[in-house]
Amino acid sequence: GENVEQHPSTLSVQEGDSAVIKCTYSDSASNYFPWYKQELGKGPQLIIDIRSNVGEKKDQRIAVTLNKTAKHFSLHITETQPEDSAVYFCAAPPRNYGQNFVFGPGTRLSVLP
Amino acid sequence: EAGVAQSPRYKIIEKRQSVAFWCNPISGHATLYWYQQILGQGPKLLIQFQNNGVVDDSQLPKDRFSAERLKGVDSTLKIQPAKLEDSAVYLCASSLGVGDKGEQYFGPGTRLTVT
Repeated sequence: GENVEQHPSTLSVQEGDSAVIKCTYSDSASNYFPWYKQELGKGPQLIIDIRSNVGEKKDQRIAVTLNKTAKHFSLHITETQPEDSAVYFCAAPPRNYGQNFVFGPGTRLSVLP
Repeated sequence: EAGVAQSPRYKIIEKRQSVAFWCNPISGHATLYWYQQILGQGPKLLIQFQNNGVVDDSQLPKDRFSAERLKGVDSTLKIQPAKLEDSAVYLCASSLGVGDKGEQYFGPGTRLTVT
């Protein structure tokens, strides 16, 4: 099946610093690459996504970059705030059309005040 | 817009007992998913419905897990009998489309503890 990795598995940054989380996948038949944020006691929530016709997408303090040739995409958070503390998951596109996305193992981000 | 509703939020049972979870997706969403999320891991898809038909149940342990989506709206997931390794959060999600054509909206999940 699809092999999805995230690095790092945990990340601690000082408030105001930037955070970068990388997602690598083994294969893809899709052009859609999403990132989800999961806060304690809640379900994951989509925070940003990108389609492969662009290399980067930005939404305020959050951005996603895609390198489809190298099979990885990254989440960038600038000017981190305590409320950014959560677990972040990438969802890798399916190997074959009709299959479902596979979630990565998650990255726990802690923003220290 | 109301989100995905799940109940109960928490459940504690003994091994070999049965348990059922309920999910009400966002109105109008044709696709419904059940995920299992073990502590410290990402969500793992158990089953996907398109309206009231099963699209993908390849990772559903069918000897003990079952799910249905009667009338293409609400859904229930059942475990019978439960094992210790079933302890996890069970997430329900819904989307308008399928795969890369629909953002998935997740409910708060049901935390199951099997003792």
